[in-house]
Amino acid sequence: KAGVTQTPRYLIKTRGQQVTLSCSPISGHRSVSWYQQTPGQGLQFLFEYFSETQRNKGNFPGRFSGRQFSNSRSEMNVSTLELGDSALYLCASSRDFSGTGELFFGEGSRLTVL
Amino acid sequence: GQQLNQSPQSMFIQEGEDVSMNCTSSSIFNTWLWYKQEPGEGPVLLIALYKAGELTSNGRLTAQFGITRKDSFLNISASIPSDVGIYFCAGQNQAGTALIFGKGTTLSVSS
Repeated sequence: KAGVTQTPRYLIKTRGQQVTLSCSPISGHRSVSWYQQTPGQGLQFLFEYFSETQRNKGNFPGRFSGRQFSNSRSEMNVSTLELGDSALYLCASSRDFSGTGELFFGEGSRLTVL
Repeated sequence: GQQLNQSPQSMFIQEGEDVSMNCTSSSIFNTWLWYKQEPGEGPVLLIALYKAGELTSNGRLTAQFGITRKDSFLNISASIPSDVGIYFCAGQNQAGTALIFGKGTTLSVSS
C-alpha cells in the first residue's frame, strides 16, 4: 500500500515569490492535514481538508491557503514568501475526519526561502 | 492556544538503558498519541491512547494516558541504536479537532 506522497521534496524560493506544494494521500484516505515543522516551533497545524472542504484551520496568516480535490489529493499554497516560511511542510492523511487522531505522514517538502 | 509541554528536550543514553519522557498540558485531552520521526522522514505513529489511565505497549515501548487526562508518558526499555530519533507527543481534545504536538524529545543512543 503506497504511503503519503509529497512533491516536491526540496525547493528554494526567494522572498516575495509564491509556492505550491502537493500531497497525495494513502488510497482510501479522505482527510488531509498540513503541518509546518521548524526547529524552534515544532509541528504547527496549518489546516485540514475533508471531502474538499476545509474543516479545521490553524493560526497562520492568510498567505497560507490550501485546497482538496475530488480524488482527495491536496495542495497548499504560500504567497508572498517570507524568510520565516522556511520550514519542512508535512502532509498527513487519515481515513476519516479527525476521528482517532491517527495520522499517516509523508516525508515532507523542505522549503528554503532566500 | 493550547500547548503541550514535552520533556526532556533531549536525551543522550547508552545502549541498553531505559528511557522515559513525558508530556503535560493545562487542558484536558481525550486522545494522546506518540509519534517518532527519523531524519528525512515524516513522523510515524507509535502508540495511540484513548482512555484515561490506559496503559498500552508496542514491543519495547509503553505509554500511559494520565488519569487526570492532562498528561502522558512514554517509556522505552532496553534501548537500541535504531531508537534514535525525535519523539513527539500529540493530543486531541475532542474528535473533529486538530492534533496538537509537543516540541519533541530528541533521543541519541550510543553503542
